[in-house]
Amino acid sequence: NAGVMQNPRHLVRRRGQEARLRCSPVKGHSHVYWYRQLPEEGLKFMVYLQKENIIDESGMPKERFSAEFPKEGPSILRIQQVVRGDSAAYFCASSPLQGSPSPSEQYFGPGTRLTVT
Amino acid sequence: GENVEQHPSTLSVQEGDSAVIKCTYSDSASNYFPWYKQELGKRPQLIIDIRSNVGEKKDQRIAVTLNKTAKHFSLHITETQPEDSAVYFCAATSFLQGAQKLVFGQGTRLTINP
Repeated sequence: NAGVMQNPRHLVRRRGQEARLRCSPVKGHSHVYWYRQLPEEGLKFMVYLQKENIIDESGMPKERFSAEFPKEGPSILRIQQVVRGDSAAYFCASSPLQGSPSPSEQYFGPGTRLTVT
Repeated sequence: GENVEQHPSTLSVQEGDSAVIKCTYSDSASNYFPWYKQELGKRPQLIIDIRSNVGEKKDQRIAVTLNKTAKHFSLHITETQPEDSAVYFCAATSFLQGAQKLVFGQGTRLTINP
């Protein structure tokens, strides 16, 4: 029973390069969330996706950041033209089909630690 | 939007004693309150959660209480052990327009002294 998988676990990019972070949810989970954690801080919501749909991207910067969850394959968080301030741990979480009116549990992946040099 | 405040930011207790971490939330529509434990360099791990239709939930040494009127909830760990040392995060969310983004507190670094 594999949990949420993320890769790569560590990613080093120079300023101006692109970063691609991948997330495979728990088998059977159709909801994916991305959170960012700066050093010594809490987690901040970025984006919530279902298959082929972005449901809520209110926490994601308008420029340089994009996310997708295609019909086949993992969810991708893409950061273009990275800057030093993008250095953080990026966590993906997944949940099963949610039942109204109470939210479902979210299970987190191991994270991708992005370092921008 | 929702805002979650968590206290204390650091907590040090003797092994065997109890630890209590408190959180307040602002959005009365929030109805799901999970707690996560995060060890250094690891993923946040769901340890217990509570929904707004109950006031208390217990799982072995861990319990969570919820006061909807005052909009606060607390994590209680009894008979603490060294392996309880970690950063604990509370969170809140609601089933609003199909989205259920978690809003996290700032975290509490718990240290258990042997």
